Amino acid sequence: QITLKESGPTLVKPTQTLTLTCTFSGFSLSTSGVGVGWIRQPPGKALEWLALIYWDGDKRYSPSLKSRLAITKDTSKNQVVLIMTNMDPVDTATYYCSHTWSYYDSSGYVDYWGQGTLVTVSS
Amino acid sequence: EIVLTQSPGTLSLSPGERATLSCRASQSVSSSYLAWYQQKPGQAPRLLIYGASSRATSIPDRFSGSGSGTDFTLTISRLEPEDFAVYYCQQYGSSPITFGQGTRLEIK
Repeated sequence: QITLKESGPTLVKPTQTLTLTCTFSGFSLSTSGVGVGWIRQPPGKALEWLALIYWDGDKRYSPSLKSRLAITKDTSKNQVVLIMTNMDPVDTATYYCSHTWSYYDSSGYVDYWGQGTLVTVSS
Repeated sequence: EIVLTQSPGTLSLSPGERATLSCRASQSVSSSYLAWYQQKPGQAPRLLIYGASSRATSIPDRFSGSGSGTDFTLTISRLEPEDFAVYYCQQYGSSPITFGQGTRLEIK
C-alpha cells in the first residue's frame, strides 16, 4: 500500500524559506520509473505542478518558480524535501506530495497523492 | 509549455445524465500522455484516467476517456451522486507537466 504524508510549517512569514518534507511508504524511490513530486493548490483555485525528482536523480521544475525551488531525496529515509525561498502571500496553498509513474518517454502521471498540507504565508 | 483549457467551466446536470468534459491543449500532447483527476471538497485529487483512455485501478467503467493530439474528452456515461466534483486534466508528455483549470460538475 502506497502512502505519502507531507510535513512542515503551517505558517510562514513573507520572505522566509519554506521547507516541506514528504515521507512515503509502500514503494522505493530507487525503482525505475518512479518519481516523487510536489503540486500545490491555492484556496479555491486550480492545481499547479511545482517539482519532481525521479528514481535516477533527475529533477524537473516549474519554469515560473524554478529560481525559488529545490527538490532533494533521501532514498534510505524514504523522504523527499521541497525548499521554496522568498515566500509571498500568493504562495498560500495546500501543498501535495505525489507519487508519479513515468513510462516510456513521459514525464509521468500522479497515481497516488498525499493528504496535503495547508501553508499560509502571512506576517 | 503546453496550456490546457478545460470546458465548460461549470457543468450542471442531474443524476443519471451523461457528462462530457473537454480538455484542449495549446499544442499536440505527445503519445496521448493525458490524465484526468477527480477532486472532491477537502480531499486530494484522485486519478481516473491515464494515457488518454486507460482507467486507473478501481475506477468504475462509467468513466471513459478519449482523444488525441490537442483534443481530449472525459465522459461519465450515467452520473451517480458521488460523481459531482471538480475534474482536472493533466498532460505529462512534455516538461513541464501542466494541469487544466478544472471543470466543476454540479447537481442541477
